[in-house]
Amino acid sequence: GEDVEQSLFLSVREGDSSVINCTYTDSSSTYLYWYKQEPGAGLQLLTYIFSNMDMKQDQRLTVLLNKKDKHLSLRIADTQTGDSAIYFCAEKITGGGNKLTFGTGTQLKVEL
Amino acid sequence: ETGVTQTPRHLVMGMTNKKSLKCEQHLGHNAMYWYKQSAKKPLELMFVYNFKEQTENNSVPSRFSPECPNSSHLFLHLHTLQPEDSALYLCASSQEGNYGYTFGSGTRLTVV
Repeated sequence: GEDVEQSLFLSVREGDSSVINCTYTDSSSTYLYWYKQEPGAGLQLLTYIFSNMDMKQDQRLTVLLNKKDKHLSLRIADTQTGDSAIYFCAEKITGGGNKLTFGTGTQLKVEL
Repeated sequence: ETGVTQTPRHLVMGMTNKKSLKCEQHLGHNAMYWYKQSAKKPLELMFVYNFKEQTENNSVPSRFSPECPNSSHLFLHLHTLQPEDSALYLCASSQEGNYGYTFGSGTRLTVV
């Protein structure tokens, strides 16, 4: 079955890079996503990667995909206090229609 | 404004009350979803609607009753809830393709 896991918590200093990791079990992923949730708000799509890519860069965000190890990561360069939030990875699988399976979320805390 | 609007933002209800949550999207999406987000627990998919038809019900108790009168509107009718039903209820919509979901800001429900 589908299972997407993330570490629960990450703390970094402002200006450092943050790396949030995600592992998944279903090898038939087509797209993988990163969402950000700020306190009291819904989830906001940050970026996504097609499963035949291994890297995607979008300004301060870099997504790395290791399909062999079923490992996805999100690197945030020059992390700012406004990046403090919960980050969710999600996968869409072949034959799953539009359905996404979400990870447990990683709480990122940025300290001054 | 994300394109998906949820009302009310906050709701406090007694265990014998009946209330409804509303979700509206004008993005032209054909699928809509209800998720429950409780503290320290993963996102729980509750219901999925595709083209107004319910396609998934993840063993949700009957005290939660969804309604999808058209592709733009989704309701969650609540009655005789329990305190453990207190959570953030998130609505999302999607379209075929790689764009993932668009989420609303959620309704923070407290059952007293």
